[in-house]
Amino acid sequence: SQTIHQWPATLVQPVGSPLSLECTVEGTSNPNLYWYRQAAGRGLQLLFYSVGIGQISSEVPQNLSASRPQDRQFILSSKKLLLSDSGFYLCACLNLAGGEQFFGPGTRLTVL
Amino acid sequence: KNQVEQSPQSLIILEGKNCTLQCNYTVSPFSNLRWYKQDTGRGPVSLTIMTFSENTKSNGRYTATLDADTKQSSLHITASQLSDSASYICVVSARGGSYIPTFGRGTSLIVHP
Repeated sequence: SQTIHQWPATLVQPVGSPLSLECTVEGTSNPNLYWYRQAAGRGLQLLFYSVGIGQISSEVPQNLSASRPQDRQFILSSKKLLLSDSGFYLCACLNLAGGEQFFGPGTRLTVL
Repeated sequence: KNQVEQSPQSLIILEGKNCTLQCNYTVSPFSNLRWYKQDTGRGPVSLTIMTFSENTKSNGRYTATLDADTKQSSLHITASQLSDSASYICVVSARGGSYIPTFGRGTSLIVHP
């Protein structure tokens, strides 16, 4: 079964600083990968998804970008963080065969 | 537009009681429906996944139902425990080229001793 790793688990960054969150997946090949953000007490908002290496689709115009340099690696980045970028970031992969989406443990980002 | 609506938004019950959470969707063409449990500060964990031909699926004290005709699903929790306190999220996927599941906003369940 798939295992998703995310790091760091928590992060506190000043406004205007860069960001790099990493997600790696084990136990599957050529998965669809997703980045979600969840504000406190809110539902999951899809930020980016990828169906293959170098293929990124953005769902919401924002201050963030994503890259997929390897099949099982998905990176979320920002050049300059905003206060509104604070939230809980979740990486997920979709098993197309089973139709089930698996989530990582998440990264709690606080921008001060 | 594909949508998933969950009710209630929040629910408080006493330990040992049963409860039922609802999910209505407009996703089409339907592929599968999943219920997730999300503990505070953690990633969602899958409880059940159902396809068009399935109308009931159980996972321990969790039982999910699906009525594909009315586009409704429910998650029934039996003999609730304190550890059931969490957010429960309904997610529906469409068949075809879309790789983007549609998420409900979740039901926040609190189980009191």
